[in-house]
Amino acid sequence: QKEVEQDPGPLSVPEGAIVSLNCTYSNSAFQYFMWYRQYSRKGPELLMYTYSSGNKEDGRFTAQVDKSSKYISLFIRDSQPSDSATYLCAMSAYSGAGSYQLTFGKGTKLSVIP
Amino acid sequence: GAGVSQSPSNKVTEKGKDVELRCDPISGHTALYWYRQSLGQGLEFLIYFQGNSAPDKSGLPSDRFSAERTGGSVSTLTIQRTQQEDSAVYLCASSPDKGQPQHFGDGTRLSIL
Repeated sequence: QKEVEQDPGPLSVPEGAIVSLNCTYSNSAFQYFMWYRQYSRKGPELLMYTYSSGNKEDGRFTAQVDKSSKYISLFIRDSQPSDSATYLCAMSAYSGAGSYQLTFGKGTKLSVIP
Repeated sequence: GAGVSQSPSNKVTEKGKDVELRCDPISGHTALYWYRQSLGQGLEFLIYFQGNSAPDKSGLPSDRFSAERTGGSVSTLTIQRTQQEDSAVYLCASSPDKGQPQHFGDGTRLSIL
């Protein structure tokens, strides 16, 4: 079983739709949870960062973390064609070497159709 | 402000050659990470530097891979005797301190012929 599972899609939605992206994880030591957006031939861009269960909102984006179920979500409201990208969930835990390296899901490719 | 800068953006080399990839982190960021992104494997951690501490090398796939960080700033990832399976995008990230959000560069796309 992979530490982080994410449906690769592709996911295609009409402009204006609400998008729901999800990841599940197996390592209960994960403390920090992130969502990154990656456009083609670009590096991942940080969208959301949280370290507690519950919801965090930033504009059209809402991140949700449920540590009891080991499940995280990203919701995008009023989706736009410019939201078309690959979305990566990532999480980290303190390791014995003092590192907080990220463990990533495989990414979900989203297309928002005008 | 300036983000994480990586060079070269693309590198094509022959199998067996050595390559050096450079990362210039965001000014003031003490933590620096290298990751590798390939089609089948997704993003994988390679190595981590924090200040003057010994690096966490636990993600390096073989002893052909090494990295250094000079003066707590610029880092170089070196791959010796490259193999075709080393073809991937090599991404560098930095953060203000360990446990803080990581910010990525656009990567070096490495192709081994």
